[in-house]
Amino acid sequence: DQQVKQNSPSLSVQEGRISILNCDYTNSMFDYFLWYKKYPAEGPTFLISISSIKDKNEDGRFTVFLNKSAKHLSLHIVPSQPGDSAVYFCAAGISSNTGKLIFGQGTTLQVKP
Amino acid sequence: DAMVIQNPRYQVTQFGKPVTLSCSQTLNHNVMYWYQQKSSQAPKLLFHYYDKDFNNEADTPDNFQSRRPNTSFCFLDIRSPGLGDAAMYLCATSILSRDEETQYFGPGTRLLVL
Repeated sequence: DQQVKQNSPSLSVQEGRISILNCDYTNSMFDYFLWYKKYPAEGPTFLISISSIKDKNEDGRFTVFLNKSAKHLSLHIVPSQPGDSAVYFCAAGISSNTGKLIFGQGTTLQVKP
Repeated sequence: DAMVIQNPRYQVTQFGKPVTLSCSQTLNHNVMYWYQQKSSQAPKLLFHYYDKDFNNEADTPDNFQSRRPNTSFCFLDIRSPGLGDAAMYLCATSILSRDEETQYFGPGTRLLVL
């Protein structure tokens, strides 16, 4: 049973446009969520997170939106840049659960110049 | 810079030959994790150490063991690697406080089993 799902394996956008990456989860106990970015041959790099007490968190070009009723979160990248091309993983966790994270399968983003 | 280091970056082993992967951290985090990631799949948690306390995931095969001799180092031992164990192995750390639950990953070790 996959508790965190990223249903789009890949996404292609034009440089300067918005990239929207989606993630759905099934476990209502999750109370914090993270997005990681991964380049080939490197480990995932933390990008941005959001607690379940918020519905939006913004950091520069990156904004994460959380819709708890729909059990859905999304990552918006505006404007998209070619250097954003990578695999993006969403992850979810339960506070005080030894930090265990459940990851989605990842979405490969390609930003075309 | 504080970081998570994994050695080696690439490891080739033979079917059934024990192999050890290494992870070290300069972040002084109290929790260390090992994940297995196969191609186009989500990273899957194998086990983690909270300080010296070892926590195994229920579905982690017995073939996988771990050691954490001190705060900085954690090892993943695969006793008898099979072809299905070929994957990227990721080490991560976390400070695990009320305000900080982010995990920080190393670059990974790609394991090839011949």
